[in-house]
Amino acid sequence: GENVEQHPSTLSVQEGDSAVIKCTYSDSASNYFPWYKQELGKRPQLIIDIRSNVGEKKDQRIAVTLNKTAKHFSLHITETQPEDSAVYFCAGSTGGGTSYGKLTFGQGTILTVHP
Amino acid sequence: GAVVSQHPSWVICKSGTSVKIECRSLDFQATTMFWYRQFPKQSLMLMATSNEGSKATYEQGVEKDKFLINHASLTLSTLTVTSAHPEDSSFYICSARSSLAGVLNEQFFGPGTRLTVL
Repeated sequence: GENVEQHPSTLSVQEGDSAVIKCTYSDSASNYFPWYKQELGKRPQLIIDIRSNVGEKKDQRIAVTLNKTAKHFSLHITETQPEDSAVYFCAGSTGGGTSYGKLTFGQGTILTVHP
Repeated sequence: GAVVSQHPSWVICKSGTSVKIECRSLDFQATTMFWYRQFPKQSLMLMATSNEGSKATYEQGVEKDKFLINHASLTLSTLTVTSAHPEDSSFYICSARSSLAGVLNEQFFGPGTRLTVL
């Protein structure tokens, strides 16, 4: 099955700096890679996703890059703000077979943005 | 659109009792729903995949007789934790996948249910 590794486990930055979180995946059949932000006791919120037919996607201060050959994808947050502080999870999903649609999550990254 | 609700949001029960958690897609049909468990400071771990009208598919290590899943309609899946014990205390989150073309992979998450077993 799919295995998703996420680094770093914790990330501390100053307000205004950029933050980068990286994930690797094992299943070459995976074709959908969402990123979630989760605040304490709340549901995961989708912040951006990318499909395997594109290499980069950007939405305002957030961008995701995907390298299918190397099987890794990264989340980039620019001009970080204190309200960006949360736990971020990457995930991978396959598009077919018996694992269709299953999400495998990374271990999570606790992002702290200091004012 | 794409709202998923869960009920209850939190529950406290005695050891040995059973607890039922409901997951509903409010404004879309979900042929597939997923149940996750999240322990404190850990990631979401998939427990099972629930397909409407068929038996759930459980992940390795998840006891199907302990965690009963029923997906009786396109908008409702239930998870029953039977004979709950303190180690079952966790945050249970469901998600639903829309059957709409173009968003086949995206999952919409419920708000979660905090289960505490005394």
